[in-house]
Amino acid sequence: AQRVTQPEKLLSVFKGAPVELKCNYSYSGSPELFWYVQYSRQRLQLLLRHISRESIKGFTADLNKGETSFHLKKPFAQEEDSAMYYCALGGAYSSASKIIFGSGTRLSIRP
Amino acid sequence: GAVVSQHPSWVICKSGTSVKIECRSLDFQATTMFWYRQFPKQSLMLMATSNEGSKATYEQGVEKDKFLINHASLTLSTLTVTSAHPEDSSFYICSARGQYDTQYFGPGTRLTVL
Repeated sequence: AQRVTQPEKLLSVFKGAPVELKCNYSYSGSPELFWYVQYSRQRLQLLLRHISRESIKGFTADLNKGETSFHLKKPFAQEEDSAMYYCALGGAYSSASKIIFGSGTRLSIRP
Repeated sequence: GAVVSQHPSWVICKSGTSVKIECRSLDFQATTMFWYRQFPKQSLMLMATSNEGSKATYEQGVEKDKFLINHASLTLSTLTVTSAHPEDSSFYICSARGQYDTQYFGPGTRLTVL
């Protein structure tokens, strides 16, 4: 069964410190992993997806199939990074393309 | 580009009445849209997949007679909460699948049933 686990409900770090938001998944097929972000009073938006292998706003995430993880990282946190982050799992090559969301991690950056 | 709107943004209704929520893709066509429900301080729970021109696919535990979904055009999907009760009060969010299978989310609709 598809499942996404984000073990941390809240992560608080100081500005300039490294950030790592954890995400583990369970999926029998070929997974497609995403990170979505929701800033205060804004709609959910895509931050990055593993197939793009890109860095958005300084964030990166590497899919580790051996550990079934897709942790989100940023070397130096900024105050504007404070938001709710959701890891999400979809099935590659799936015409349905439905996405299952993790429970989310609230990232708080302290000045 | 790739903007999704929802209407209304919030609605208050009496118990027993029905409420319709619209989800529109403004500048792209979406053969597939999704409806989610979000309780306070919780994650998004997928309710159903809405396919243009065919029946919606509901997730396990979601009553299809309670939550009617219609996807009549490539830019519009509607969710109707029938005979609403206070426990249906929630934040309902839609998304539309666009280019490269990316999902674009609407701003959400807050439903309060009195």
